[in-house]
Amino acid sequence: DQQVKQNSPSLSVQEGRISILNCDYTNSMFDYFLWYKKYPAEGPTFLISISSIKDKNEDGRFTVFLNKSAKHLSLHIVPSQPGDSAVYFCAASGSNDYKLSFGAGTTVTVRA
Amino acid sequence: SAVISQKPSRDICQRGTSLTIQCQVDSQVTMMFWYRQQPGQSLTLIATANQGSEATYESGFVIDKFPISRPNLTFSTLTVSNMSPEDSSIYLCSVRPGTGGFNEQFFGPGTRLTVL
Repeated sequence: DQQVKQNSPSLSVQEGRISILNCDYTNSMFDYFLWYKKYPAEGPTFLISISSIKDKNEDGRFTVFLNKSAKHLSLHIVPSQPGDSAVYFCAASGSNDYKLSFGAGTTVTVRA
Repeated sequence: SAVISQKPSRDICQRGTSLTIQCQVDSQVTMMFWYRQQPGQSLTLIATANQGSEATYESGFVIDKFPISRPNLTFSTLTVSNMSPEDSSIYLCSVRPGTGGFNEQFFGPGTRLTVL
């Protein structure tokens, strides 16, 4: 039972343009959401998070948007850089539960 | 954040054998977790490693197959027992330092296991 879904397995974007990654969840008890970036042969690296009391969180080139009514969040990367080429995972947890549920990941390729 | 190391980084093992993976953190952390990433799949939580008590396993994972130790606040081991090719995965430990943010977890580099 996949409670966190990333329906786009891959995304190709030109350097300098915006990358938009989407994530949907089904569990209404989730109230904290995270994005991780993973390079091959490395562990996931924490990127940015957002709690359910907010609808937007920004950190440099990365912005996460949360639409609670739609159970949807997105990660915007502006501008995209070649080093952003990686697999991006969306994750979620509840406030009483520190366990993370992960999406399947989206592979981003930034073209020069 | 925390600096996390894992040993070994990779291994190739024979069916029926066992492998113990170590996870070392550079600071004391309250919560440590073990995840598995099967080929082409997402990360799945195996268990929460509890210091001084038995680990808490997720549905589908049992102690006999994945025994876990957590002798102190900076170290944990995961053993993959009686391995089969289906156990070929990347095994990752993560920690929740408990300082700042709400539930950020930080991951080790992973152990890539291949079972023949």
